[in-house]
Amino acid sequence: TQLLEQSPQFLSIQEGENLTVYCNSSSVFSSLQWYRQEPGEGPVLLVTVVTGGEVKKLKRLTFQFGDARKDSSLHITAAQPGDTGLYLCAAGTSYGKLTFGQGTILTVHP
Amino acid sequence: EADIYQTPRYLVIGTGKKITLECSQTMGHDKMYWYQQDPGMELHLIHYSYGVNSTEKGDLSSESTVSRIRTEHFPLTLESARPSHTSQYLCASSESPGVADTQYFGPGTRLTVL
Repeated sequence: TQLLEQSPQFLSIQEGENLTVYCNSSSVFSSLQWYRQEPGEGPVLLVTVVTGGEVKKLKRLTFQFGDARKDSSLHITAAQPGDTGLYLCAAGTSYGKLTFGQGTILTVHP
Repeated sequence: EADIYQTPRYLVIGTGKKITLECSQTMGHDKMYWYQQDPGMELHLIHYSYGVNSTEKGDLSSESTVSRIRTEHFPLTLESARPSHTSQYLCASSESPGVADTQYFGPGTRLTVL
């Protein structure tokens, strides 16, 4: 059973379009992170959200943590080819360990 | 910018060989982790450590072993590599206590066993 469900699994869009990636669970988390990973590299942290209802913005990226701290979303406005990559959500479990969603592969075509 | 390093970046070896994947971090983090990841897929935790002389197995069973003799160094060893071990191996570290379990990742080692 997947603790964190990410959707969609694949997303292929044109430059300039908007998109939203979802991360859902039946469990409550104390925090949730979003990472972006490029091929052949390790994941790089984008944001950490800790408060239910929290919204964080990072340039064209908007992250939201659900009120009940069971879900999160990542919204990208006016996507660019440089946004292409694997987006992973992750939540803390016990003793600092993280469990990861299965990821969303985003491809932005010029 | 995270200071965590992995070597080699790419490794192609034959079945039955013993290999060690190196991971080092210069941030003084107590917690370190090893993940296994197939291309474009989720990360699976195979080993973790909370400090020197502390190692634990992760959620995904692995035939590899790890050691933590120094804070900055967390090598992973496969005694006899098999084609089923072909994957990307990612090392990470985090502070203890830290901000909301944030982990910093190395660039990974892509292992291919023929």
